[in-house]
Amino acid sequence: DTAVSQTPKYLVTQMGNDKSIKCEQNLGHDTMYWYKQDSKKFLKIMFSYNNKELIINETVPNRFSPKSPDKAHLNLHINSLELGDSAVYFCASSLLGGKAGTDTQYFGPGTRLTVL
Amino acid sequence: RKEVEQDPGPFNVPEGATVAFNCTYSNSASQSFFWYRQDCRKEPKLLMSVYSSGNEDGRFTAQLNRASQYISLLIRDSKLSDSATYLCVVRYSGYSTLTFGKGTMLLVSP
Repeated sequence: DTAVSQTPKYLVTQMGNDKSIKCEQNLGHDTMYWYKQDSKKFLKIMFSYNNKELIINETVPNRFSPKSPDKAHLNLHINSLELGDSAVYFCASSLLGGKAGTDTQYFGPGTRLTVL
Repeated sequence: RKEVEQDPGPFNVPEGATVAFNCTYSNSASQSFFWYRQDCRKEPKLLMSVYSSGNEDGRFTAQLNRASQYISLLIRDSKLSDSATYLCVVRYSGYSTLTFGKGTMLLVSP
């Protein structure tokens, strides 16, 4: 069974469109995250949610809006897509949200977004 | 200065070789340290946590030097399946999120 799943796996869209990426974890974790990996392969945190509440927003444009309907789901909605949004977006989850030093984050398979 | 810096690579080594990756971090408030592995077009996966006293997991040995803010990963007896990008990762004290280095690519050839 997949621990952290994301849909879709690939997303190709035109500039200016609005799109959503869904993420679900079946690990019973309290904390979920969105990361962006750009063309230079640099992986950077975007958001962190703990038990449905936003705890970290790393200066991401407000065109990006995460939504957590319950602690097992964290979706990412992107308005007015731009060329620079093309990247791989990874969802992740962890049990304790970093409260324990070695709290492990488990990543989903990624969503490859291409904006034309 | 980048927060987590790694050797740029790629490292090309033959099977059976020993290879070492280095990483430095700039924030002394860093609390936890990890090595993640990322295969091409796949998600990062935890390889091992790095403990202050150093730790070993089979062919993999991780070391931490807090005074120098330096982390290393040693891979002995390289296998073809070790080919991947190795990401140095730190977590700052009081934060849940991880800060990743850019990664070092390893290519193990027959």
